[in-house]
Amino acid sequence: KQEVTQIPAALSVPEGENLVLNCSFTDSAIYNLQWFRQDPGKGLTSLLLIQSSQREQTSGRLNASLDKSSGRSTLYIAASQPGDSATYLCAVIVGNKLVFGAGTILRVKS
Amino acid sequence: EPEVTQTPSHQVTQMGQEVILRCVPISNHLYFYWYRQILGQKVEFLVSFYNNEISEKSEIFDDQFSVERPDGSNFTLKIRSTKLEDSAMYFCASSDQGGGNIQYFGAGTRLSVL
Repeated sequence: KQEVTQIPAALSVPEGENLVLNCSFTDSAIYNLQWFRQDPGKGLTSLLLIQSSQREQTSGRLNASLDKSSGRSTLYIAASQPGDSATYLCAVIVGNKLVFGAGTILRVKS
Repeated sequence: EPEVTQTPSHQVTQMGQEVILRCVPISNHLYFYWYRQILGQKVEFLVSFYNNEISEKSEIFDDQFSVERPDGSNFTLKIRSTKLEDSAMYFCASSDQGGGNIQYFGAGTRLSVL
């Protein structure tokens, strides 16, 4: 059974800092991996999708990497801003479904 | 930008009552999904739907749950007899293709069962 783990569970950083969020999964037989942002009490906003054949995907200040063989992905956020404060969820796509991690709660202090 | 729309945003119901959660997926999408998130827990997959039938469902999706696409735009999740433990945020998602394509989520319906 696929399990997704995210480390750290929570992170507090000063504005401007670069940071890395980690995601690991137990079964490398995934289609793709998707990173989401969730604001309190809100829905899920898709940030990036990395296909299983890709190593990296970039969108603005966000860069996500994927090492399928070791079962790991990282989300790199450059020059963090208070508006980046949210929960970041990693999900692997297996067949027709997403399997989610518990998320990393990020707080960026001004 | 096209988006997935869910109604209502919050539904309060008594235990044992039936509820229907509604979703309007992105218009050209063909694959539809329901997920739920119990407060403080992970987002969990419930069911996927394509070509007017269920393509995959989880252990959570038992006989109390059903999905339907009653017309060309709506996608609904029905819970026949709600239990306290059904209280959660329910998310609808859609994608234009299956097999690992990006899934777009709605803002969710918060279901409170009293």
